[in-house]
Amino acid sequence: GAVVSQHPSWVICKSGTSVKIECRSLDFQATTMFWYRQFPKQSLMLMATSNEGSKATYEQGVEKDKFLINHASLTLSTLTVTSAHPEDSSFYICSERREEWDVISYNEQFFGPGTRLTVL
Amino acid sequence: AQTVTQSQPEMSVQEAETVTLSCTYDTSESDYYLFWYKQPPSRQMILVIRQEAYKQQNATENRFSVNFQKAAKSFSLKISDSQLGDAAMYFCAYRSTVSSGSARQLTFGSGTQLTVLP
Repeated sequence: GAVVSQHPSWVICKSGTSVKIECRSLDFQATTMFWYRQFPKQSLMLMATSNEGSKATYEQGVEKDKFLINHASLTLSTLTVTSAHPEDSSFYICSERREEWDVISYNEQFFGPGTRLTVL
Repeated sequence: AQTVTQSQPEMSVQEAETVTLSCTYDTSESDYYLFWYKQPPSRQMILVIRQEAYKQQNATENRFSVNFQKAAKSFSLKISDSQLGDAAMYFCAYRSTVSSGSARQLTFGSGTQLTVLP
């Protein structure tokens, strides 16, 4: 079954509004979550790494003030797209990474089902 | 920095036949992980198979197997007895064994869109 959920699965908003996307770990306390952006027929581009209890680490070129990430608990990370514009329309995917210290080679990474954002 | 290259944007295969998807990567590390992920039309990323670089034996998961050539930095995916449900975008990915900083992330290739013909 699913181990990572995202809400909403799709959202349409007007230009200038803010949209919050939630990513929940369903059966694991994830200290690290990743946020990706994917344009049609393209690969996943890492936007930021979300660390529980501390500030997120953003990739080069990603605006920190536009894409606000909060990881306040071990099971929830949120991405808020502030003052959204049509160019922000994309598919956003979160992922959690598990570190099984007893079998360290199996650093499994699980992906949420994604959120399709359309900004009108 | 590591890079992952998938040189086949699109591939097609007849149902029940075998297809091989190519992936090459560049790294200066000696130990790392390699993955193949599948993204069907639902857009849900699904792990297909994984390979630890220190293991010489090629990973196999049912109809999916890899040909891992460490010296050539090549990691191809073979799908045997292709099924209609195998149609998807396939991504090759690399991760360092270093567990801190930017090395914790997956580096993805550009993807190969696989079509399965009935």
